[in-house]
Amino acid sequence: AQSVAQPEDQVNVAEGNPLTVKCTYSVSGNPYLFWYVQYPNRGLQFLLKYITGDNLVKGSYGFEAEFNKSQTSFHLKKPSALVSDSALYFCAVRDDYRGFKTIFGAGTRLFVKA
Amino acid sequence: DAGVIQSPRHEVTEMGQEVTLRCKPISGHNSLFWYRQTMMRGLELLIYFNNNVPIDDSGMPEDRFSAKMPNASFSTLKIQPSEPRDSAVYFCASSRDGGDEQFFGPGTRLTVL
Repeated sequence: AQSVAQPEDQVNVAEGNPLTVKCTYSVSGNPYLFWYVQYPNRGLQFLLKYITGDNLVKGSYGFEAEFNKSQTSFHLKKPSALVSDSALYFCAVRDDYRGFKTIFGAGTRLFVKA
Repeated sequence: DAGVIQSPRHEVTEMGQEVTLRCKPISGHNSLFWYRQTMMRGLELLIYFNNNVPIDDSGMPEDRFSAKMPNASFSTLKIQPSEPRDSAVYFCASSRDGGDEQFFGPGTRLTVL
């Protein structure tokens, strides 16, 4: 069965420092991997996705993620955090053997301190 | 494009009443998803449609919940009768195809007293 894990409930970073939000996954087939961000009282917004190709994927707002097949990970990164990056981040996975169903992780709350 | 539109944005009702949540997906998107978000359970997929056909409703909690998509531009999620434990934020999302990234609506915050 497909699954996704975000091992950290919360990540705290100082503004200007690099940030990493972790995600690991499990699928039967080839993974389609996504990151979304949710600001308070808003719906989720798409940040980036990996389907195939380069392992380093670049997305919106300066975020990037690295696909690591051997470690079944898809960590979200940003070289220099902004206070405005503070939000709830969701990793999601779709198994290409299982149709359209996308499983979302529990979410990681990112706090960026000025 | 206006994005995914959901109505109402807030709904307060009493236990036992029927609740209907509405969603208009982005034009041209052929997949539609209904999610429920709570602090305790996080984001749960309830049901999704492809080309107006329900594909997977295994996430629907019980028979009190039903969803329809009569055409490509409209879907409803109905709870009858509603219970306090149904209180949550319900999101609708659409995508160009089922495997593509999803665009979420602003959500409906449901409170059942």
